[in-house]
Amino acid sequence: EVQLVESGGGLVQPGGSLRLSCAASGFTFSTFWMTWVRQAPGKGLEWVANIKEDGGQKYYVDSVKGRFTISRDNAKKSLYLQMNSLRAEDTAVYYCASSRFNMVGYMDVWGKGTTVTVSS
Amino acid sequence: SYELTQPPSVSVSPGQTARITCSGDALPKKYAYWYQQRSGQAPVVVIYEDSKRPSGIPERFSGSSSGTMATLTISGAQVDDEADYYCYSTDSSGNYVFGTGTEVTVL
Repeated sequence: EVQLVESGGGLVQPGGSLRLSCAASGFTFSTFWMTWVRQAPGKGLEWVANIKEDGGQKYYVDSVKGRFTISRDNAKKSLYLQMNSLRAEDTAVYYCASSRFNMVGYMDVWGKGTTVTVSS
Repeated sequence: SYELTQPPSVSVSPGQTARITCSGDALPKKYAYWYQQRSGQAPVVVIYEDSKRPSGIPERFSGSSSGTMATLTISGAQVDDEADYYCYSTDSSGNYVFGTGTEVTVL
């Protein structure tokens, strides 16, 4: 079964750090772009970052540049999002998604999301 | 930063046609993708590359793009189509962005 499962969310104080993980199964993870998308409570979807198959290209939304780092381990079929200097506005459900048809904008497989809450 | 603008809400009667627009300066050169998100669920792509429909998506969903506007059309809307819809595209620098989102109500 083609599947993505996120983990690592939780409650963290402002200024703290979290590392999200996304485990892939059922498809050849190493050959596809991967993306993190988040959704704040009651708000719309926001693209956070994406990473090329070999990790050689990475892109970030301006609001997380310098604080978040996207990475992947193709041997472990896993995607990561290291989040530092967290702010209240980073509170959201974080989804990972894959683009399995060689179109970066076509995210055909999504995880169920992991919740990050930044609060004191 | 690049923005994609959508109407906040669209209301349609069952069996009628709903049209959702997405406006962005880079759309003449970049593809639009459309995502459906039902309450409490992860998004699902319903249109890719402006007008192509993924396998398994009903034929009543169609897409088009002209100039700086992309449009998602739901022909013969059903109650099951009630959801939030987001366009998605990229600017010239590789960054992606979702549209502001449109809540579709079928009643």
